[in-house]
Amino acid sequence: QVQLVQSGAEVKKPGASVKVSCKASGYKFTSYAMQWVRQAPGQRLEWMGWIDGGNGNTKYSQKFQGRVTITRGTSASTAYMELSSLRSEDTAVYYCARARVGVMPLDYWGQGTLVTVSS
Amino acid sequence: QSVLTQPPSASGTPGQRVTMSCSGSSSNIGSNTVNWYQQLPGTAPKLLIYSNNQRPSGVPDRFSGSKSGTSASLAISGLQSEDEADYYCAAWDDSLNGPLFGGGTKVTVL
Repeated sequence: QVQLVQSGAEVKKPGASVKVSCKASGYKFTSYAMQWVRQAPGQRLEWMGWIDGGNGNTKYSQKFQGRVTITRGTSASTAYMELSSLRSEDTAVYYCARARVGVMPLDYWGQGTLVTVSS
Repeated sequence: QSVLTQPPSASGTPGQRVTMSCSGSSSNIGSNTVNWYQQLPGTAPKLLIYSNNQRPSGVPDRFSGSKSGTSASLAISGLQSEDEADYYCAAWDDSLNGPLFGGGTKVTVL
């Protein structure tokens, strides 16, 4: 069965960076993209970017361009999302989700990683 | 900036039918299929409906979706207490070149 298991909660200071991992199992990692979506407290889901599990191509939301970097390790079937220059507004639950490249739906989701940005 | 608009809340008694809407534009719902997600408190979103009206394996047929033009709707028939959750519509947005989500509708079972 498809599973996406994310790394644990993080607490960071403003200006720092955070890197969240998402380990995939139960399917061929290189045949799908991995999307990253975040949800601030009480807010809607917000798309951040995606990576093609096969060739590593990435696409980022303009809102996060320059601050987010999504990478992958094919041997470990793991995707990573790094967000830099953190500010309090980045406090949110970050999700990875599987999808075919460039299309929806996002069919399987990780359990989410809470990132808290606080001085 | 593209937006998908959903009513913030909906409610019904057990057994009733509840519907909720999702309004978009030509760059998202108007040119791409609509998906719906159910999010129970403290959990990750779960795919409920894809390609406007298709249910993934395991989703009860009480849930149904439809789309017309730049709007879509989700219906829950035979409402049950375990349906109390937030429901999000989503569609690929051609301007964003990525997924766009609605603000969510919180369903309360009275």
